[in-house]
Amino acid sequence: DAKTTQPNSMESNEEEPVHLPCNHSTISGTDYIHWYRQLPSQGPEYVIHGLTSNVNNRMASLAIAEDRKSSTLILHRATLRDAAVYYCILSPPGAAGNKLTFGGGTRVLVKP
Amino acid sequence: GAVVSQHPSRVICKSGTSVKIECRSLDFQATTMFWYRQFPKQSLMLMATSNEGSKATYEQGVEKDKFLINHASLTLSTLTVTSAHPEDSSFYICSARRGGILANYGYTFGSGTRLTVV
Repeated sequence: DAKTTQPNSMESNEEEPVHLPCNHSTISGTDYIHWYRQLPSQGPEYVIHGLTSNVNNRMASLAIAEDRKSSTLILHRATLRDAAVYYCILSPPGAAGNKLTFGGGTRVLVKP
Repeated sequence: GAVVSQHPSRVICKSGTSVKIECRSLDFQATTMFWYRQFPKQSLMLMATSNEGSKATYEQGVEKDKFLINHASLTLSTLTVTSAHPEDSSFYICSARRGGILANYGYTFGSGTRLTVV
């Protein structure tokens, strides 16, 4: 499985943007880039995913480098509820049977 | 859409007993579900892939006779921890993805089950 590298932790002030980097230099041409987050004592929650183009949804934006070897998850205005561990994961396309392998993730602390 | 329900959310059992955890896809059919385990301050570790109507596929190092998985229908997978011991105490999480083109859907996770073996 292609690996991802993320900083262990990041701090942000409330209502400021948060940029979470992820390196995936061994990504294959067909791997999708997924982002999930896990709040304390809960299962992970889907945030966003993409292949090549930048993606936006109501939760966040995903900026993918042109060579696809890195990506950045952008939380536009952090709130206290965004404090969580954010995981960047690669997954090949195809059937729903493709598993997700979690790395260490980035623990985001949001300060009021 | 794409809701996965996991039950129970918390269970305490005595050492040597068995515990069953259920994972249901509420609004979609899931031919494949995944079971993870998470120890405190660690990441999720995939235990097994549950396949509807066939045997589960276990990750290396996971004892299939201890962690029994049954995926008897397209909306239900169960994980039974047999002869539980204190070292099995952990946070167990299931996951599934709506079938179809990956571009359209992400994976959905259950809310997790906190197992404490005393």
